[in-house]
Amino acid sequence: AQSVTQLGSHVSVSEGALVLLRCNYSSSVPPYLFWYVQYPNQGLQLLLKYTSAATLVKGINGFEAEFKKSETSFHLTKPSAHMSDAAEYFCAVSKAGGGNKLTFGTGTQLKVEL
Amino acid sequence: KAGVTQTPRYLIKTRGQQVTLSCSPISGHRSVSWYQQTPGQGLQFLFEYFSETQRNKGNFPGRFSGRQFSNSRSEMNVSTLELGDSALYLCASSNELAGGHTYNEQFFGPGTRLTVL
Repeated sequence: AQSVTQLGSHVSVSEGALVLLRCNYSSSVPPYLFWYVQYPNQGLQLLLKYTSAATLVKGINGFEAEFKKSETSFHLTKPSAHMSDAAEYFCAVSKAGGGNKLTFGTGTQLKVEL
Repeated sequence: KAGVTQTPRYLIKTRGQQVTLSCSPISGHRSVSWYQQTPGQGLQFLFEYFSETQRNKGNFPGRFSGRQFSNSRSEMNVSTLELGDSALYLCASSNELAGGHTYNEQFFGPGTRLTVL
């Protein structure tokens, strides 16, 4: 079975500060890993994905994540937070060849303060 | 291209009733997945349909069912509603070409918010 754990249900940063959202995965097979963002009253939008190509993945809106097999981690970072980044972020995992079933983490609510 | 559309956006039902939610995928997408989102359980996979066949199923009781039509539109049905079924139900579609061995991005709709009284 595959799973992801997101450390910190709420993260608060100042505008312009580094954003770091943590995700650790558990998978018996090479995983596909994703970060999604959800704004209030909206669906999920894909930020970036790891599908066994480059371990450093760049996504939309200046976000990036690094796949570290030795640490079973896929943390999401952004060098400089913007007010518009305030949202809920979900890490997710799926199995290669397993169709489109995603297993999500519990989410991290990001707050950006002036 | 139009995005994934879900109807209705909001729904209020009472316990014991049944409900049908609809999802229209992006044109050309053949895979449709459904997820339930609640504050307590988070995002949970319900089922996935590909070319009118259920390909994956999550751990939900038989009261939850779905189907996909030849035009890839999908419906999910919940019978004998319980208070705990109150949730945001999200649909996602994917332009999967074949085989399921290459990941294709899933595009999510805005969801249907179901309230069970």
